[in-house]
Amino acid sequence: DVKVTQSSRYLVKRTGEKVFLECVQDMDHENMFWYRQDPGLGLRLIYFSYDVKMKEKGDIPEGYSVSREKKERFSLILESASTNQTSMYLCASSYTGEASYEQYFGPGTRLTVT
Amino acid sequence: AQKITQTQPGMFVQEKEAVTLDCTYDTSDPSYGLFWYKQPSSGEMIFLIYQGSYDQQNATEGRYSLNFQKARKSANLVISASQLGDSAMYFCAMSLNQAGTALIFGKGTTLSVSS
Repeated sequence: DVKVTQSSRYLVKRTGEKVFLECVQDMDHENMFWYRQDPGLGLRLIYFSYDVKMKEKGDIPEGYSVSREKKERFSLILESASTNQTSMYLCASSYTGEASYEQYFGPGTRLTVT
Repeated sequence: AQKITQTQPGMFVQEKEAVTLDCTYDTSDPSYGLFWYKQPSSGEMIFLIYQGSYDQQNATEGRYSLNFQKARKSANLVISASQLGDSAMYFCAMSLNQAGTALIFGKGTTLSVSS
């Protein structure tokens, strides 16, 4: 079974803190993604990576950065957390090259910034 | 621009009845994939069903079927014989046939199944 794990299910941080969200997949997938989910807005893509050290901006990259030093690990970084970054963060991974390759999701991290 | 539209914020159905969740999409690419995911209250995203743009037949997976109407650009999910455990948020999504392309999601439909 494909497994995508995220470092925390729930996280509470203060405004201005640097926040790291970690994601690890065990299926040797080339692609990894970070989404943000907010009520009424669905899932929105923050960043994705199609190879080690490669990254592409998604629809809402402002205020976020990412790191992919190893194939199995994709980190999302909030350089200076703000209250409007309170949200559910979902990591996903997939094979590359075919539209039929579904994305496998982690359990999500519910981040609260106070 | 590519877009997914789910016009039903909430749907209600009785147990054992069938229900259709609507999804329309917009893309000018001839090659794409359409997905449905289920998200229970626990938060995990569960893959349900996939339809490729060149597939001739509608996809089916157990009680789930995808009513694919290419000319209308619609990809509705049909759940037959609803169960209480089907109560969840459902997302329609699209991928383009390009390496590394992320999914484009709709805003979701909340399905409530009552006994």
